[in-house]
Amino acid sequence: DTEVTQTPKHLVMGMTNKKSLKCEQHMGHRAMYWYKQKAKKPPELMFVYSYEKLSINESVPSRFSPECPNSSLLNLHLHALQPEDSALYLCASSPRGREYSNQPQHFGDGTRLSIL
Amino acid sequence: AQSVAQPEDQVNVAEGNPLTVKCTYSVSGNPYLFWYVQYPNRGLQFLLKYITGDNLVKGSYGFEAEFNKSQTSFHLKKPSALVSDSALYFCAVRDVESGAGSYQLTFGKGTKLSVIP
Repeated sequence: DTEVTQTPKHLVMGMTNKKSLKCEQHMGHRAMYWYKQKAKKPPELMFVYSYEKLSINESVPSRFSPECPNSSLLNLHLHALQPEDSALYLCASSPRGREYSNQPQHFGDGTRLSIL
Repeated sequence: AQSVAQPEDQVNVAEGNPLTVKCTYSVSGNPYLFWYVQYPNRGLQFLLKYITGDNLVKGSYGFEAEFNKSQTSFHLKKPSALVSDSALYFCAVRDVESGAGSYQLTFGKGTKLSVIP
């Protein structure tokens, strides 16, 4: 069982739809991440939240909009996606603070997103 | 800048034989090194890490990894492979000296391990 919970597990949406991905952790981690992963490739970092503030945006298109409502929750709002956005979207969390920089990130099982 | 190389796209090994999955890294300072495993339709699962000290690190499910500073390598090993070890393995590095961005990981491209019965 993973300690980072992502919902839904699967999502199929049209290019004009609006949907959201949800991620939740209760480990007290203050850094949370969104990654995009294509088949048989490494995860690509999209966004990093540190203490609930957006810290890193890796030049992600504006059709992806992250939100961190509180220290346990991370959302990714999706709008007007393209077929090439079909991928596995992974959420991760880790402790924040320099003394914790040797700690691993904990990953959820992801949301498999298909754009029609 | 930091980088990771996993030179093998795929490693095949017979069940019961020892396995090695290779990883080399490049950082400007000292590295924190991690191995993750990904089973089909699952997220990345942490296996082990090197931060400092003993060069042989033991992790989950009987895996271990050997840190070699002179060769900048961190190869993953297991003495006796199981069919259930078949999965995608990722090596990752974080530069200890990278300051504010020190929580970012750089992943290798991944190695698919197939353990043949």
